[in-house]
Amino acid sequence: RKEVEQDPGPFNVPEGATVAFNCTYSNSASQSFFWYRQDCRKEPKLLMSVYSSGNEDGRFTAQLNRASQYISLLIRDSKLSDSATYLCVVRPLDSNYQLIWGAGTKLIIKP
Amino acid sequence: GAGVSQSPSNKVTEKGKDVELRCDPISGHTALYWYRQSLGQGLEFLIYFQGNSAPDKSGLPSDRFSAERTGGSVSTLTIQRTQQEDSAVYLCASSLEGYTGELFFGEGSRLTVL
Repeated sequence: RKEVEQDPGPFNVPEGATVAFNCTYSNSASQSFFWYRQDCRKEPKLLMSVYSSGNEDGRFTAQLNRASQYISLLIRDSKLSDSATYLCVVRPLDSNYQLIWGAGTKLIIKP
Repeated sequence: GAGVSQSPSNKVTEKGKDVELRCDPISGHTALYWYRQSLGQGLEFLIYFQGNSAPDKSGLPSDRFSAERTGGSVSTLTIQRTQQEDSAVYLCASSLEGYTGELFFGEGSRLTVL
């Protein structure tokens, strides 16, 4: 089993719709969680950190469910520019610099 | 420039040749990572540098891979006797400190071994 698992997609979503996808992690002792965004053939960029109580940044909402060991990302009022691959990233408890990366979920927003 | 700079952006080489990839991190960033990304795969950790501390080389896949960071700034990743399975995008990232989780990536070096 991979340490961080994501549905590879693609998720094909009409513009303006709401879309959500999850990421599961295997190490219950994981301490920090992040969502990165990667455009096609470009480098990953931090989208948002995920806090225990859940957090929102504009149209994006991230949530953490420690009991079930998953994090989620919800995008409201999706834009064409949201088309990208979303990478789930987890920091294990036993490291202050290591990051475990999911393979990503591809999102395609259609006009 | 203000961002992480990597060179070359593309490298095509023949099996058995050596290649050297360069990373120039953001000024002032003490932490530097090298990752490898193959199509459809997550980022694979290769090596981590933090200031003057000994690097974490635990991710290097074989002794053909080595990396150094001179003066706490520029880093080079060297792959000796390249193999076809080394073909991937090699990404360098830097951050203020390793623990922040916010990494700034370069655009990567796409390596193709024929």
